[in-house]
Amino acid sequence: AQSVSQHNHHVILSEAASLELGCNYSYGGTVNLFWYVQYPGQHLQLLLKYFSGDPLVKGIKGFEAEFIKSKFSFNLRKPSVQWSDTAEYFCAVNAHNTDKLIFGTGTRLQVFP
Amino acid sequence: EADIYQTPRYLVIGTGKKITLECSQTMGHDKMYWYQQDPGMELHLIHYSYGVNSTEKGDLSSESTVSRIRTEHFPLTLESARPSHTSQYLCASSEGHAGNTIYFGEGSWLTVV
Repeated sequence: AQSVSQHNHHVILSEAASLELGCNYSYGGTVNLFWYVQYPGQHLQLLLKYFSGDPLVKGIKGFEAEFIKSKFSFNLRKPSVQWSDTAEYFCAVNAHNTDKLIFGTGTRLQVFP
Repeated sequence: EADIYQTPRYLVIGTGKKITLECSQTMGHDKMYWYQQDPGMELHLIHYSYGVNSTEKGDLSSESTVSRIRTEHFPLTLESARPSHTSQYLCASSEGHAGNTIYFGEGSWLTVV
């Protein structure tokens, strides 16, 4: 069965610090990979996604993620975080032939000024 | 901005009551989903639909039921609520192709006392 692991449950950073959130998945076939973000009091929204092609994907608000197939990883990065990045971040995966998204447990990011 | 709406946003009800969580989307999406998320935990798919008159159980067993009589509407019903049903319920939709972005509503927080 597919699963998604997010190893960092709670991350606290100061503004301008660099961010990397880990995401690993377990599935042997071709996958689509997603990062969603949920700002306080708001709905989940898509940050970025990987379907094929360049394994380095750029998303909104300066976020990027790199798909490393050999490591089954899709880590999220941002070189310099802002207070407004405080949110919960979810990694998700679905196999190419399915529609169901499998989510990780989420990482709560707090950024202090 | 995704056009998917959930009501009520917050609901506190007594044990044994029947409740329906409403979900509507104006994007004409064929596929709709219900996810359940307990605080600090991952999202679990409990129901999905590929179109009108199509409903399927998700990965997590749920005592709730759903219906899809119209494309834009995907309500979730609990016939007799129990405290174990206390959770956040997220409705989502996507276009017809596998791997397409899934858009989420703001969620319905249900507390059963």
